[in-house]
Amino acid sequence: NAGVTQTPKFRILKIGQSMTLQCTQDMNHNYMYWYRQDPGMGLKLIYYSVGAGITDKGEVPNGYNVSRSTTEDFPLRLELAAPSQTSVYFCASSSTVTGGHEQYFGPGTRLTVT
Amino acid sequence: DAKTTQPPSMDCAEGRAANLPCNHSTISGNEYVYWYRQIHSQGPQYIIHGLKNNETNEMASLIITEDRKSSTLILPHATLRDTAVYYCIVRHNAGNMLTFGGGTRLMVKP
Repeated sequence: NAGVTQTPKFRILKIGQSMTLQCTQDMNHNYMYWYRQDPGMGLKLIYYSVGAGITDKGEVPNGYNVSRSTTEDFPLRLELAAPSQTSVYFCASSSTVTGGHEQYFGPGTRLTVT
Repeated sequence: DAKTTQPPSMDCAEGRAANLPCNHSTISGNEYVYWYRQIHSQGPQYIIHGLKNNETNEMASLIITEDRKSSTLILPHATLRDTAVYYCIVRHNAGNMLTFGGGTRLMVKP
């Protein structure tokens, strides 16, 4: 299993540009999550999904959108990039079937908005 | 979910046990204690979790006090690769969000 994969690894955006951060998991997990981590801080939840077709807001959803059309994929969309969105973005997944709810994280996408 | 308190940093000698404390005095009866760690620039990694009994796996042991108001993560023989930020998180097992605080930055020294 590859686990949770994220692309791209790095990206520089200009203010006002848009982009999609990709996340894929091959563990058949029903739950998926997007977090952001600012320098020296803990992770904050942006959005999460409990299954295909279902998404919900986390702690810091403003400026982002998500969709979950398949179990495997959970892309995060930034429509109008702002400097405040400069951060490291982590995608994660977990399963309610196997119990434990431990989350498995991807390697992250480092985004700079200038 | 209950709030947790951890020391901001700790040092440990290589080969010795690392004992990382966590205070969660407002924990409720159906909340679990989870531990994750984040090695520099990588995604967080699940370590262990428990409800009230002590737990052990191949990575670590988790000791939870009888009143469940605090816990200790034990890395029995710390190596340099265990240098990381360790997060203690309390949450309902039926819940689906992890709330990350500041964590403890563990430095394992030769």
